[in-house]
Amino acid sequence: EADIYQTPRYLVIGTGKKITLECSQTMGHDKMYWYQQDPGMELHLIHYSYGVNSTEKGDLSSESTVSRIRTEHFPLTLESARPSHTSQYLCASSRDSSPHEQYFGPGTRLTVT
Amino acid sequence: GESVGLHLPTLSVQEGDNSIINCAYSNSASDYFIWYKQESGKGPQFIIDIRSNMDKRQGQRVTVLLNKTVKHLSLQIAATQPGDSAVYFCAENHTGGFKTIFGAGTRLFVKA
Repeated sequence: EADIYQTPRYLVIGTGKKITLECSQTMGHDKMYWYQQDPGMELHLIHYSYGVNSTEKGDLSSESTVSRIRTEHFPLTLESARPSHTSQYLCASSRDSSPHEQYFGPGTRLTVT
Repeated sequence: GESVGLHLPTLSVQEGDNSIINCAYSNSASDYFIWYKQESGKGPQFIIDIRSNMDKRQGQRVTVLLNKTVKHLSLQIAATQPGDSAVYFCAENHTGGFKTIFGAGTRLFVKA
């Protein structure tokens, strides 16, 4: 069982609000990722991190930002939520030696009204 | 560009039968091909991977086949059980790279 956690699991919020999605892992993994996924569809990488103080944008254009101050913590922030941000957000981590074997959290389902 | 895609969006099998889920990929430079399982309300779960220099790899009740000639990947599940009902994603990755490219999922329904 992977030890990666996301909060909140569900969030309904109004347009223009600032939100932070939390992600924590206790496996000591250096690599962490954020994906966006619409129901039943493929995952799109929006941010990743190689380690502390290292963050990069992924393929999917995103208005979100991330930070990596501690190895175990990789929060994602939306400064001003919009209905187009409605989606599921998945956090994952992996060992340096096996970046393709990713451990996923349960996801946060975000609805922006 | 790079793409990983699945042939069928849904697959329905009888409990106890074998399941075969197929995937096509376009990037010959990928080093690893991976299968993930995603149950309803959960994040994807790693099932099995195969290196590009292999043709076949077996796990517990699962077998992954890689055909590099036609750029095709398949996941075989033996004696399919109700607990196998989920969406299955194939993915590919380059050694040392951060980027794992996921294809669209195939939903597997297991009929009792």
